[in-house]
Amino acid sequence: SAVISQKPSRDICQRGTSLTIQCQVDSQVTMMFWYRQQPGQSLTLIATANQGSEATYESGFVIDKFPISRPNLTFSTLTVSNMSPEDSSIYLCSLGTSVGTDTQYFGPGTRLTVL
Amino acid sequence: QKEVEQDPGPLSVPEGAIVSLNCTYSNSAFQYFMWYRQYSRKGPELLMYTYSSGNKEDGRFTAQVDKSSKYISLFIRDSQPSDSATYLCAMSAGDTGANSKLTFGKGITLSVRP
Repeated sequence: SAVISQKPSRDICQRGTSLTIQCQVDSQVTMMFWYRQQPGQSLTLIATANQGSEATYESGFVIDKFPISRPNLTFSTLTVSNMSPEDSSIYLCSLGTSVGTDTQYFGPGTRLTVL
Repeated sequence: QKEVEQDPGPLSVPEGAIVSLNCTYSNSAFQYFMWYRQYSRKGPELLMYTYSSGNKEDGRFTAQVDKSSKYISLFIRDSQPSDSATYLCAMSAGDTGANSKLTFGKGITLSVRP
């Protein structure tokens, strides 16, 4: 399976600031996904990022709060804007593959704490 | 009612025990079913993948899907301390499991005592 890396692995940020999380894949993939894993909650899809088109956001998530870029087939970024303590979470990117299985593989995650 | 419900745990078993992990779901459109294992401070790792109903075995792990009951299970035989992790069930209703939204259970934390 593809190797997925995320930067930063963790960060502590102040309320009101923004953080951009990077996701790098070692092979070209059409679709990448961004999920959030809040403490005690299910992993939840934020948005789907296709290269060359606008990201598609799930209900409850908006572009102004979580802008996403997908400049090429191996890279994506998620920005968490104007952060509040409620944004403290693990943010994960994933990619879909139909080779061998038909499912998604996840990066290591970015652990964000907002003070 | 949440789309996917998972036994809350935590679960603690002795080494060598058979472990049964379960999820129920309400969306009859789900047709791709996965189990992920997540070690502390790591991303979820795909453990088992099943399309539609039936059983699938991989070493000490067996995944079962009963679509008529909207119930999936993961069995771990001869459990080892290295199996200690959080287990997440996930499902997809899309045309593919790869390119569609995954809906997850909350996860259950398993501890296998030596």
